[in-house]
Amino acid sequence: ELKVEQNPLFLSMQEGKNYTIYCNYSTTSDRLYWYRQDPGKSLESLFVLLSNGAVKQEGRLMASLDTKARLSTLHITAAVHDLSATYFCAVGHTGTASKLTFGTGTRLQVTL
Amino acid sequence: NAGVTQTPKFRILKIGQSMTLQCTQDMNHNYMYWYRQDPGMGLKLIYYSVGAGITDKGEVPNGYNVSRSTTEDFPLRLELAAPSQTSVYFCASSYWPEAFFGQGTRLTVV
Repeated sequence: ELKVEQNPLFLSMQEGKNYTIYCNYSTTSDRLYWYRQDPGKSLESLFVLLSNGAVKQEGRLMASLDTKARLSTLHITAAVHDLSATYFCAVGHTGTASKLTFGTGTRLQVTL
Repeated sequence: NAGVTQTPKFRILKIGQSMTLQCTQDMNHNYMYWYRQDPGMGLKLIYYSVGAGITDKGEVPNGYNVSRSTTEDFPLRLELAAPSQTSVYFCASSYWPEAFFGQGTRLTVV
């Protein structure tokens, strides 16, 4: 059974600081996703990582994937208030129907 | 393109009532899914479908039923609503490797 663990669950950080969110998963997968969710909204796709060593960057966010360690990271550089949201990683099941298993999310609060 | 459309956006049900959550996608995707999201949690898979006429259970299927008569539509049925089904429900479709989510239905059972 595929299990996905995210940490930390809650992160309060000052503007301008850097931090990393971690996503560990328990079985082999061929893809990993990062999503952003604002309160009361749907999921916004940030990154899709498909191979070992994949690194993607968009603005102040950078995601990486280590399939051998079954670990993905979402790094935040010089945080700004607009990044306040909940971030989820989701791991794809291999073979069948492209199902996803989600982590419990990291609630990020960026303060002045 | 409208993408994945869910209706209704909000609904309050009484215990024991039934309802159908509607989901339609206009991207001609074969794969569709229903997830639920409880407060402060990630999404959990209820049911999924790999094409018209084919459905299967996900992680938390109890209390729900689905059907898939067309590629476009994937309704979720609650037969006897219970307070434990209070949640936000997301429908999604996918075309590898991307997944597309609807805006969600917020359901409260009282």
